[in-house]
Order: sequence, then C-alpha cells, then structure tokens
Amino acid sequence: SYELTQPPSVSVSPGQTARITCSGDALPKKYAYWYQQKSGQAPVLVIYEDSKRPSGIPERFSGSSSGTMATLTISGAQVEDEADYYCYSTDSSGNHRGVFGGGTKLTVL
Amino acid sequence: QVQLQESGPGLVKPSETLSLTCTVSGGSISSYYWSWIRQPPGKGLEWIGYIYYSGSTNYNPSLKSRVTISVDTSKNQFSLKLSSVTAADTAVYYCARVNRGYSGYDLNWYFDLWGRGTLVTVSS
Repeated sequence: SYELTQPPSVSVSPGQTARITCSGDALPKKYAYWYQQKSGQAPVLVIYEDSKRPSGIPERFSGSSSGTMATLTISGAQVEDEADYYCYSTDSSGNHRGVFGGGTKLTVL
Repeated sequence: QVQLQESGPGLVKPSETLSLTCTVSGGSISSYYWSWIRQPPGKGLEWIGYIYYSGSTNYNPSLKSRVTISVDTSKNQFSLKLSSVTAADTAVYYCARVNRGYSGYDLNWYFDLWGRGTLVTVSS
C-alpha cells in the first residue's frame, strides 16, 4: 500500500526557518497538500497543489516539491505555529486512494 | 460561509454499527464530493472514504468491507456507517469537503473544509 513518510518531530527557535519533509513514490506525478493541526482542533489546509497558499494563510508558509519529496517551509516560525503537520496525497494506482503522512510535531521554543 | 457539523452517538458497543451524520450549512451539498476522515487518540489521520452528491463512492481498501457512506441531498447531509466495530475504531471522526484538480492528466483530490470532529468511543 502507498505510504507518505514524514519525520516525527522538528524543533526550531522563534524566527528560524522550519522545514518539514514528506516522501512518497507517487509525488513526481501527484500533488502534495499540507495540513496544520493544533491541539484539540480540526486540521486546517495550509498548502495545496504543492505550493499554493489558501486565502488567510500567512505568507511565511510555503511549499515545494521535487521528485519524490515535498517540503513545507515556515520562514520565521512563530510560537503560534507549534502544531502537528500532516502531508497528504493520493496514490497513482488508479484507485484514487487518499493517504496521509504520519505527521510531524513542530516545536517552536 | 459553508460549515460542516458532525453528529451521532459518542459511545458504541463492540460488534455494533457506528453511525454518524454530517450536516452541510451555508451552501449546497450538490456539485461536490464529501468525505470522512478519522483520527485515533494521539495518532495520525486516516481517510475513510468519499461520496459524490450523485451517490458514487470510493472507500479506503483497508475499511471497505465495513464502510457505507450515503448522501441525502434533500437534507444537505451525508452519513457514515461502520459495522462490526472494535476498540480500534475509537477515534475522532471528521467530515470534510473534497476539492479536486489535475496535475497533467492525473486527478488529485484533497480536503479543503473540515468539520470540528466528534469523538466516538467503542466500549461495552
């Protein structure tokens, strides 16, 4: 079955750049999406179609994808960015199955 | 703006069927796909399945034998049924709106709007 792999945790100091990676064999053909989930809340879409930012998402959030790896970058991370981040994509088998990465806990302190 | 709200029992007995409903307000359920996603306590997200307003469905193969998603356009609602539940089905269940796009010839779909989620505990 298709899998997306993320690091379990990333830690940065406020103002530094945080980078969270997501690897998957189908990413050269499929878009990556990124969700932010703060404690006790529903996930929120922060990046779609590899690099597009939904309305209302701060400019410090950006995304990129190259080959089998997608990257979420938070430039000048703020304390309020501390959350779990999940990458998401679909497999390329024709089943159109949706898959989430295991999630990355971002600590900003 | 469009909002989604999950509703249903918070406690289900083992071997019984979990039933949840998602009510869409502020917009029509028509012309969109709609999905269910779950998250066990302290764990990651798992896609369960989606339905088009016309009734066509697609389920996660790992749950397909136990899942039924249906839609009621007259009530602007869609529903989830998960049969033969065990403690492993204890989770927060989210409903979400699906958006779609193409990368070249490849179809992509994702969740652009989520409900707040509802915790369902499987226990006797």
